[in-house]
Amino acid sequence: DTGVSQDPRHKITKRGQNVTFRCDPISEHNRLYWYRQTLGQGPEFLTYFQNEAQLEKSRLLSNRFSAERPKGSFSTLEIQRTEQGDSAMYLCASSLGTGYEKLFFGSGTQLSVL
Amino acid sequence: QKEVEQNSGPLSVPEGAIASLNCTYSDRVSQSFFWYRQYSGKSPELIMSIYSNGDKEDGRFTAQLNKASQYVSLLIRDSQPSDSATYLCAVTGNAGNMLTFGGGTRLMVKP
Repeated sequence: DTGVSQDPRHKITKRGQNVTFRCDPISEHNRLYWYRQTLGQGPEFLTYFQNEAQLEKSRLLSNRFSAERPKGSFSTLEIQRTEQGDSAMYLCASSLGTGYEKLFFGSGTQLSVL
Repeated sequence: QKEVEQNSGPLSVPEGAIASLNCTYSDRVSQSFFWYRQYSGKSPELIMSIYSNGDKEDGRFTAQLNKASQYVSLLIRDSQPSDSATYLCAVTGNAGNMLTFGGGTRLMVKP
């Protein structure tokens, strides 16, 4: 059990560029969540997967954001045409089943859009 | 109105004192309630969960839930400087699929 791994840890990009983040959950975990956190705020739900199926997506999520989890293993989160307002920490978390008692977060990817 | 509300703080307490952190939520059908601790630059980690009205104790931590008042709190006894962090309240809704976080309360424990 190596924990939830996220890559890269930091990403600096120019406005208008596309970025992609990767999350590797704990190996047997079937649920994977993406959250976004800005300074001084709590994590904001973006989307979650159960195995390879994307079951829920935040209504606040722009259509510039897309997430995938092929084969129910790792997940990617892509942001197209980045804007300065996208600057945030992107957190991935995974769990086995529906219980949040065993929800583990990764260290996050810090995105800065210049 | 935010779904989960917390005073952003900072809440400053002296070492050894009791720190009291509060959270209110708007969805009456919320079922599960959690407290996470987040150190600066780190990811959140679960410290307490509570599902039914009343108190739940775990070491120096006590979570209190009052569903009628839509209120959940966390007490930290014998506060230590290492408890200095942001404490996030999180709630699941009726479907239980989504964890909604409050904005967090920053706690500072002074030696």
